[in-house]
Amino acid sequence: NAGVTQTPKFRILKIGQSMTLQCTQDMNHNYMYWYRQDPGMGLKLIYYSVGAGITDKGEVPNGYNVSRSTTEDFPLRLELAAPSQTSVYFCASRGQGQGYTFGSGTRLTVV
Amino acid sequence: QKEVEQNSGPLSVPEGAIASLNCTYSDRGSQSFFWYRQYSGKSPELIMFIYSNGDKEDGRFTAQLNKASQYVSLLIRDSQPSDSATYLCAVMGGSQGNLIFGKGTKLSVKP
Repeated sequence: NAGVTQTPKFRILKIGQSMTLQCTQDMNHNYMYWYRQDPGMGLKLIYYSVGAGITDKGEVPNGYNVSRSTTEDFPLRLELAAPSQTSVYFCASRGQGQGYTFGSGTRLTVV
Repeated sequence: QKEVEQNSGPLSVPEGAIASLNCTYSDRGSQSFFWYRQYSGKSPELIMFIYSNGDKEDGRFTAQLNKASQYVSLLIRDSQPSDSATYLCAVMGGSQGNLIFGKGTKLSVKP
């Protein structure tokens, strides 16, 4: 099992550009999450999904969008990138009653 | 707003000592508690979870939960330099079971 796979690992964007962070899991987990982690600020929930076709906002959703067309995939879309979106992004999934399994992260810099 | 509080550290202990990491949470209805370890530049990895009051031991790690005091702790016995990392406390809350993370405590084990 690959677990949770995130791509890309690193990306530099210019202000105003858009991109999609990819996240795929092969554990048949219903629950998937996107977090961002800023230095000294902990993990903040951006969006989550409880199953295919169902998504909901977390604590910091502004500037982001998600979709969940399949159980396996949960991409995060950044529209009109801003310097405030410079962060490390983690995708995670979990099965019922379990803790999260995290992907390896995407380090994004917006310049 | 549900909160999870941790001392940011750094907590420095000598090799072979017991490291004690503490966490408090605000939501009295929380049922599940998790400890993650995060090495610098890496993603969080689950090391312990606990649901019931009392202690839970796994190798050198012991998680302690006191729901009346809304307090969770992690003890690391015989600390090793390889235990040097940031330890994240997480509490499962809300109807969807999302994890709320503390900001983490940085542990440094000195040889």
